[in-house]
Amino acid sequence: GAGVSQSPSNKVTEKGKDVELRCDPISGHTALYWYRQSLGQGLEFLIYFQGNSAPDKSGLPSDRFSAERTGGSVSTLTIQRTQQEDSAVYLCASSLVVLTGELFFGEGSRLTVL
Amino acid sequence: GENVEQHPSTLSVQEGDSAVIKCTYSDSASNYFPWYKQELGKRPQLIIDIRSNVGEKKDQRIAVTLNKTAKHFSLHITETQPEDSAVYFCAAPLGFNKFYFGSGTKLNVKP
Repeated sequence: GAGVSQSPSNKVTEKGKDVELRCDPISGHTALYWYRQSLGQGLEFLIYFQGNSAPDKSGLPSDRFSAERTGGSVSTLTIQRTQQEDSAVYLCASSLVVLTGELFFGEGSRLTVL
Repeated sequence: GENVEQHPSTLSVQEGDSAVIKCTYSDSASNYFPWYKQELGKRPQLIIDIRSNVGEKKDQRIAVTLNKTAKHFSLHITETQPEDSAVYFCAAPLGFNKFYFGSGTKLNVKP
């Protein structure tokens, strides 16, 4: 596709359920980033993937959060046992150049935990 | 600790005036400093960036300045227009595996 694609665009779930958020980056972009944006707030760094290298998971807010990137392309962010404080927009971005190039953001996945 | 600090958090200017937003970063090895604009309900988009080998870059009404010694960089918008109203974020790479954004500045340009 022409841009970064994220799904679902909206997800409403009950507290305690697991959710999976998907990101399909721009073809050829080796770097992929996940950010969390709570209402009216800034962009909280979660995790960064560079090609097939193992990511640094230290930005993930708790061990309920995990992320994978298969084949250096599509990435999935999984939140287990969701809590109300997990409600936010989860933004994915990709870039051609590692850490020194423009980030192209997806539209985001809006997660609401009831 | 590792972070990117941005201020002010809100800025209100009259149309035609200039706006300046400042950021500081902690990692002296950082070498790339972009600015993103996020309009209400939309995704952030790059508006200008600067690399560590230059001190200033301009693109029409916007400019970015970098002071590597002091570890700060600034966004300058001249002749502001109502369509400049948005949230602006600075960002910088920290270490080899993190790319942090500042907390954002909500700019309101009053017509």
